[in-house]
Amino acid sequence: GNSVTQMEGPVTLSEEAFLTINCTYTATGYPSLFWYVQYPGEGLQLLLKATKADDKGSNKGFEATYRKETTSFHLEKGSVQVSDSAVYFCAQHGSGNTGKLIFGQGTTLQVKP
Amino acid sequence: DGGITQSPKYLFRKEGQNVTLSCEQNLNHDAMYWYRQDPGQGLRLIYYSQIVNDFQKGDIAEGYSVSREKKESFPLTVTSAQKNPTAFYLCASSLGTANQPQHFGDGTRLSIL
Repeated sequence: GNSVTQMEGPVTLSEEAFLTINCTYTATGYPSLFWYVQYPGEGLQLLLKATKADDKGSNKGFEATYRKETTSFHLEKGSVQVSDSAVYFCAQHGSGNTGKLIFGQGTTLQVKP
Repeated sequence: DGGITQSPKYLFRKEGQNVTLSCEQNLNHDAMYWYRQDPGQGLRLIYYSQIVNDFQKGDIAEGYSVSREKKESFPLTVTSAQKNPTAFYLCASSLGTANQPQHFGDGTRLSIL
């Protein structure tokens, strides 16, 4: 069945370092892909999305490109800040037209000053 | 501002007691969802509803019940049959069609006394 796999965390970086969080998916067809961010004690916020192959989603300095050849949607940021410390979830749209999403297990990012 | 409101933020349950978590949205979304999040884990779907007066079980529906009498509201009842209810519960809504992201509330943390 459809699934999403993220790199395990925690990922610990120093401020201004380059960030990559890997995400791969399995699916029939070409589902929309999403990155969400969750700050401590809060719900999830949509960070960016891509709806078709080769689309690049971007927001707040984060980017991710929909790669159908490698079935990947890796999240990147050129220079992280302490305020980026959070849990990041990759998700794909499920099959059918229900609006259901399939989430990865989440990756914790810790940025140290 | 449009959004999703979950209440209460913290909830305590005694053994053998049912408790109801509230979720209200003013985004005019057709679809609503309930997720459970355990520490260090991803989101697991409990129930979802694509339209008023209709809902479907998700992956972990046992011990939970829902209703969808109004478009804006999707309350979740955690029954005494749910033996391990301590978790963070997240409600979400969306337009319910393919490619649309889900919007999340800030969650309710349920604990057992």
